[in-house]
Amino acid sequence: ETGVTQTPRHLVMGMTNKKSLKCEQHLGHNAMYWYKQSAKKPLELMFVYSLEERVENNSVPSRFSPECPNSSHLFLHLHTLQPEDSALYLCASSQEWGWQEKLFFGSGTQLSVL
Amino acid sequence: SQELEQSPQSLIVQEGKNLTINCTSSKTLYGLYWYKQKYGEGLIFLMMLQKGGEEKSHEKITAKLDEKKQQSSLHITASQPSHAGIYLCGADYGNNRLAFGKGNQVVVIP
Repeated sequence: ETGVTQTPRHLVMGMTNKKSLKCEQHLGHNAMYWYKQSAKKPLELMFVYSLEERVENNSVPSRFSPECPNSSHLFLHLHTLQPEDSALYLCASSQEWGWQEKLFFGSGTQLSVL
Repeated sequence: SQELEQSPQSLIVQEGKNLTINCTSSKTLYGLYWYKQKYGEGLIFLMMLQKGGEEKSHEKITAKLDEKKQQSSLHITASQPSHAGIYLCGADYGNNRLAFGKGNQVVVIP
């Protein structure tokens, strides 16, 4: 148990659906991250929030929309996704945003887009 | 091109045998992190190495950082089925993020 909880664990959605992924941490961390993990590829950093402000957006398509209402919660809103968006989406948190910060990961949401 | 190369891509060992996996960076490392992942799950932090020559151990897992080669090796002694999984290295290049390799898949046969 890392202290970072993601829901749902599995999600199947059609290309026209709208869904949201949720991440919650009660570690008192100030930074939260969304990563995408596709088969045979390295983990890709999608978004970073520090003290509820977005500090990184790594050329992610607009069909992915993050939201950080407070330092404990992070959402990823999904709409009109493509089959190639099927992947494991991982949330992580760290004490602060910066280098030499250890990341704590959630168990991920396995997303399948049909 | 890939900044971090992990080798071998996959490894099958018999229970009780030792194994070593490697992570090599094409750029100067400020720090190197090792994580373990079970299939379809999140990453569990194992160790962080920051200085050249640094070596850390946790239970039967030892990791070293070779500053000259910009490479880290992770060694497991007397492997057990619980050691099976994907080992990911993450590189700190001093730019507020970790860059990850593709992982080493380890299978331990009882």
